[in-house]
Amino acid sequence: GQSLEQPSEVTAVEGAIVQINCTYQTSGFYGLSWYQQHDGGAPTFLSYNALDGLEETGRFSSFLSRSDSYGYLLLQELQMKDSASYFCAVRVGGSQGNLIFGKGTKLSVKP
Amino acid sequence: NAGVTQTPKFRILKIGQSMTLQCTQDMNHNYMYWYRQDPGMGLKLIYYSVGAGITDKGEVPNGYNVSRSTTEDFPLRLELAAPSQTSVYFCASSGTGGPSGNTIYFGEGSWLTVV
Repeated sequence: GQSLEQPSEVTAVEGAIVQINCTYQTSGFYGLSWYQQHDGGAPTFLSYNALDGLEETGRFSSFLSRSDSYGYLLLQELQMKDSASYFCAVRVGGSQGNLIFGKGTKLSVKP
Repeated sequence: NAGVTQTPKFRILKIGQSMTLQCTQDMNHNYMYWYRQDPGMGLKLIYYSVGAGITDKGEVPNGYNVSRSTTEDFPLRLELAAPSQTSVYFCASSGTGGPSGNTIYFGEGSWLTVV
């Protein structure tokens, strides 16, 4: 079967750095994506890694190690508005294949 | 800038009723998807389409049907609604090739309750 594991909840304070890990076991791998979802809202795309290494986009960075079937999302200089759920997703079945989502990590940012 | 638009936003159905969730996108994307999200859970793929006239099952297709007569529209039909179909439904789309193929754009969601 296909599975993605990520912590269910993470709490951090404003200004801090937080790392959300994701390990995956899938039949095929064509990239790891991260999505953010605020309560009651739609998921929105944050980042994508097809190759090993770090991708940086502003305060957010994402890392991938294909040999370890592992990736993480790093959020720096946390702000209250970063309180949301974060989902990792693996593309399977080819470069245009479907995304399999993890169950999400609920991040709470405290003052 | 509409993106992916889905209707209705909220709906209450009685057991055994049928309904169609509408979805349209204006980004000329070939790929379209229907996901459902149960409380505290990730998204599960119901059906997807790689282009007009082509649809395929995802992880949880039972109890649903789709059609794709145009590039823009991808309606999801619920036949004989059951309480297990109470969920939030998201329609989504993506382009093909390169970065645009790796980004999925979601609609705002449809909250469906079956009683």
